Amino acid sequence: ETGVTQTPRHLVMGMTNKKSLKCEQHLGHNAMYWYKQSAKKPLELMFVYNFKEQTENNSVPSRFSPECPNSSHLFLHLHTLQPEDSALYLCASSQDWTDTQYFGPGTRLTVL
Amino acid sequence: QQQVKQSPQSLIVQKGGISIINCAYENTAFDYFPWYQQFPGKGPALLIAIRPDVSEKKEGRFTISFNKSAKQFSLHIMDSQPGDSATYFCAASVYTGNQFYFGTGTSLTVIP
Repeated sequence: ETGVTQTPRHLVMGMTNKKSLKCEQHLGHNAMYWYKQSAKKPLELMFVYNFKEQTENNSVPSRFSPECPNSSHLFLHLHTLQPEDSALYLCASSQDWTDTQYFGPGTRLTVL
Repeated sequence: QQQVKQSPQSLIVQKGGISIINCAYENTAFDYFPWYQQFPGKGPALLIAIRPDVSEKKEGRFTISFNKSAKQFSLHIMDSQPGDSATYFCAASVYTGNQFYFGTGTSLTVIP
């Protein structure tokens, strides 16, 4: 499989659940990103990893916890989410942090 | 505070017509302006991008026009086709930075 893949594609969870989103990039890139996409809002950058090191955390609530075990994989651990966290969560990667970003298809998250 | 303002929110164009989407920014440090295309169920994909040292860039039917003094840039889609129906996002960044600021998106529908 090529490009940036994300699993699962759809996720429904209750507010007390714990789940994880997975992103994998097959492009040999060194930087990976998590974005939140809500209707009629700009894409919101959540986290940036460059060479497995977190370089940005845009005031994201602690109920979202990223993990980057290597430069090809990125996880977003979710716990005690709120209904307003329902959105499309997009993963992206780039060669380095100044380069064009390539996006995965996203995970559609619904919090009940 | 929204760094990049995009308009219109939605656009309907007849097949063969010209689609025009506009974006404006305030931060004069921005020096990289990409446009992304997103189809339903897919992540955004880079369409075309411009640096401010040129006023126009053309790739096939897609053209970016850039007005540095007005801090505005626009996407023109010539000979619009039904297959162009998608959501288009403009973005801006400082090329040496690691953050992209996205517009709110324009939903384009091309009527056969």
